[in-house]
Amino acid sequence: KAGVTQTPRYLIKTRGQQVTLSCSPISGHRSVSWYQQTPGQGLQFLFEYFSETQRNKGNFPGRFSGRQFSNSRSEMNVSTLELGDSALYLCASSLVGGDGYTFGSGTRLTVV
Amino acid sequence: DQQVKQNSPSLSVQEGRISILNCDYTNSMFDYFLWYKKYPAEGPTFLISISSIKDKNEDGRFTVFLNKSAKHLSLHIVPSQPGDSAVYFCAAIYTGANSKLTFGKGITLSVRP
Repeated sequence: KAGVTQTPRYLIKTRGQQVTLSCSPISGHRSVSWYQQTPGQGLQFLFEYFSETQRNKGNFPGRFSGRQFSNSRSEMNVSTLELGDSALYLCASSLVGGDGYTFGSGTRLTVV
Repeated sequence: DQQVKQNSPSLSVQEGRISILNCDYTNSMFDYFLWYKKYPAEGPTFLISISSIKDKNEDGRFTVFLNKSAKHLSLHIVPSQPGDSAVYFCAAIYTGANSKLTFGKGITLSVRP
């Protein structure tokens, strides 16, 4: 079966712009989580969506937001981009959350 | 507050020898622990996990040990192979409502031929 698909793979944006990243989970998976990976910081949790509801949120500013659609696909939005937002953004899906997460290949965002 | 700590950023071992990757945690509510492996430009892939009711789990060349009293776990790879060279992330979760995977910062393992 198809894995977790993230689009686009690479993105270059200018400071102050906004960006939307997309994640299509494995078919049947209802939980989608987003993580930010930066050098030396590991994977930092952004938020999790389950059945179109955000049920957990990490310690990121309000510029970071997300949503989930009825087909479980999820989008993440970052507004007013800053240089420090440059990172690999990873999406993971699971049946109900808790464990068994499968990750996508990520979107590499570069802010210039 | 870093609840999952991987204090060594890198490890280099000779092919055929044992690799030991360490991880410490501070949250005593964590009851399930996972190791992920990550190559550049790819997402992390699940490697092995262990429940807090066990102290050891083995899968081929990979064994994870859990010491709950010390809040410490380790991943042993025997024998190490060049293809094992990657970043390894330790992660923990507690199986309650609204729980989330908490990751360490990762260890870069290099296996020398």
